[in-house]
Amino acid sequence: KAGVTQTPRYLIKTRGQQVTLSCSPISGHRSVSWYQQTPGQGLQFLFEYFSETQRNKGNFPGRFSGRQFSNSRSEMNVSTLELGDSALYLCASSLGQGGWFFGPGTRLTVL
Amino acid sequence: LAKTTQPISMDSYEGQEVNITCSHNNIATNDYITWYQQFPSQGPRFIIQGYKTKVTNEVASLFIPADRKSSTLSLPRVSLSDTAVYYCLVGDRSNYGQNFVFGPGTRLSVLP
Repeated sequence: KAGVTQTPRYLIKTRGQQVTLSCSPISGHRSVSWYQQTPGQGLQFLFEYFSETQRNKGNFPGRFSGRQFSNSRSEMNVSTLELGDSALYLCASSLGQGGWFFGPGTRLTVL
Repeated sequence: LAKTTQPISMDSYEGQEVNITCSHNNIATNDYITWYQQFPSQGPRFIIQGYKTKVTNEVASLFIPADRKSSTLSLPRVSLSDTAVYYCLVGDRSNYGQNFVFGPGTRLSVLP
């Protein structure tokens, strides 16, 4: 069974731009969550989706948004990029509570 | 908001058993504990999950005492390839809903 895939793997943007990251969960998984990882803050939870509905949300500004499609694929959008948004963005999928399986991440660099 | 603490780093030698402890004093009744392994430039990899007592799978064991305020990941007979960062994850509820809180991670170095 294929794992969680994320595209693109690497991305370079400039301040003020917006970016959309994509995540395809493991087949059959209906829960998708997103995380931001930086050297200073570690792994931080962004949000979780289940059956196209945002079920949980972390403590991030409204510039960070996401959505989930009927096939469970998910996208994450960051608008008005700031230098501090440079990070590894990780997507994970799950069958239920816990047991999250992570993708390889998208490395976003904001210049 | 549940806060977790872990040792920042640990060293071990090949073939030894390694125990990494995570403290989570504010764990809630319905929370569960999950451990992950992460290599550089990769996403975390699920190792083991538990709610109470002891859980064992083919790669690790997880010990959770009765008060559930801590958990210990046990890796038997580590090898060089086990050098990685290990995170404990505790389910938590915040004003925004369930907010999974990762620990700061323990950097394990396995020496030959």
